[in-house]
Amino acid sequence: GAVVSQHPSRVICKSGTSVKIECRSLDFQATTMFWYRQFPKQSLMLMATSNEGSKATYEQGVEKDKFLINHASLTLSTLTVTSAHPEDSSFYICSAEPLWRSDEQFFGPGTRLTVL
Amino acid sequence: DAKTTQPNSMESNEEEPVHLPCNHSTISGTDYIHWYRQLPSQGPEYVIHGLTSNVNNRMASLAIAEDRKSSTLILHRATLRDAAVYYCILREMNRDDKIIFGKGTRLHILP
Repeated sequence: GAVVSQHPSRVICKSGTSVKIECRSLDFQATTMFWYRQFPKQSLMLMATSNEGSKATYEQGVEKDKFLINHASLTLSTLTVTSAHPEDSSFYICSAEPLWRSDEQFFGPGTRLTVL
Repeated sequence: DAKTTQPNSMESNEEEPVHLPCNHSTISGTDYIHWYRQLPSQGPEYVIHGLTSNVNNRMASLAIAEDRKSSTLILHRATLRDAAVYYCILREMNRDDKIIFGKGTRLHILP
């Protein structure tokens, strides 16, 4: 099946630093990828839709200047958490939908961010 | 977005069938019913989806009510590895359609 990877799987950083999370579709191309955030014991919350070659579409309440998304190729999207603070600590998950199939999305394993 | 309602949690014994219900009374004619599940500390994974007819695959079966206002995900023989949060989601079948997750059902499997 189609595989989506994320890097890093876990990151700990100091408050005020920026953290970049990569999402890669390993064996398929995707014009669209999605970024989610999940707090403990809660459901996934969609943050933004990442579109290859164009600007990301952010959900209401998500700060675009804080969560920078770049989708430079058909297999890579990056999420940068700028000036991270402890309240940004969360589980960040990406997903991608292959060009050849539209009935299933493939999710990455997630990145656990801890901001001290 | 059309919403779904699921029980917060369910329990089942290992090696027994599990029926996970989902209500979606405001479903539209173009909404597909999708199920995803999320194992602990992992990203979600696709389970099954359907429109009107019941569906079977290697993971599960999906039974859809005739009026499409409810559906049931059936795990025929639960194992400990099936302990997860199961999400019932409605999606219009457009390319790049985003998935909005509800709270899902946390399934506990008792050995």
